[in-house]
Amino acid sequence: KNQVEQSPQSLIILEGKNCTLQCNYTVSPFSNLRWYKQDTGRGPVSLTIMTFSENTKSNGRYTATLDADTKQSSLHITASQLSDSASYICVVKGPLGGGADGLTFGKGTHLIIQP
Amino acid sequence: SAVISQKPSRDICQRGTSLTIQCQVDSQVTMMFWYRQQPGQSLTLIATANQGSEATYESGFVIDKFPISRPNLTFSTLTVSNMSPEDSSIYLCSVEDKRAVSYNEQFFGPGTRLTVL
Repeated sequence: KNQVEQSPQSLIILEGKNCTLQCNYTVSPFSNLRWYKQDTGRGPVSLTIMTFSENTKSNGRYTATLDADTKQSSLHITASQLSDSASYICVVKGPLGGGADGLTFGKGTHLIIQP
Repeated sequence: SAVISQKPSRDICQRGTSLTIQCQVDSQVTMMFWYRQQPGQSLTLIATANQGSEATYESGFVIDKFPISRPNLTFSTLTVSNMSPEDSSIYLCSVEDKRAVSYNEQFFGPGTRLTVL
């Protein structure tokens, strides 16, 4: 069964600190891996999309890594800001994964940035 | 990127009633998706809405409970019928935008937060 597991479930850090969120997946075959940010009361917004051949991709203070061999990804947030407080969802797309959308969603990591 | 709006943004409903959620996209899209996000859970695909054909439902979801309309390429509705407290969730509309630079990027609406008493 295709699965996406995220850790930690929740995380509290002080403003200005860095943090790393983890995503392990079993989706196979694999098309791409996405990280979304979901603010409270809002829909998910795409941060990065990575294919099999990409190891690292950055979007401002967000840097995603992908190891397709070990089926692991991480999202590193640098110099955190209060606005980074949100849920971060890892989503894997595979031709046979998930439903008609081909997506398998993780449960997300709930990140809280404290001043 | 596709811009998606949903109505209502939130609602509190009584058991046994129905609620229709509207989804409007600023561009024509072939496929629209409806998701449910229960508290503390990942997004679950309810159905895929294609213009001009019946919606395709995922396992565990049926048309009688979640009827969907797709009258044109920019609009869809999802109805949550005969509601119970277990239907309390965030309902999200989503589209694939094939005009993205690469990949078929998926965009989500802001969601409808439904509470059933």
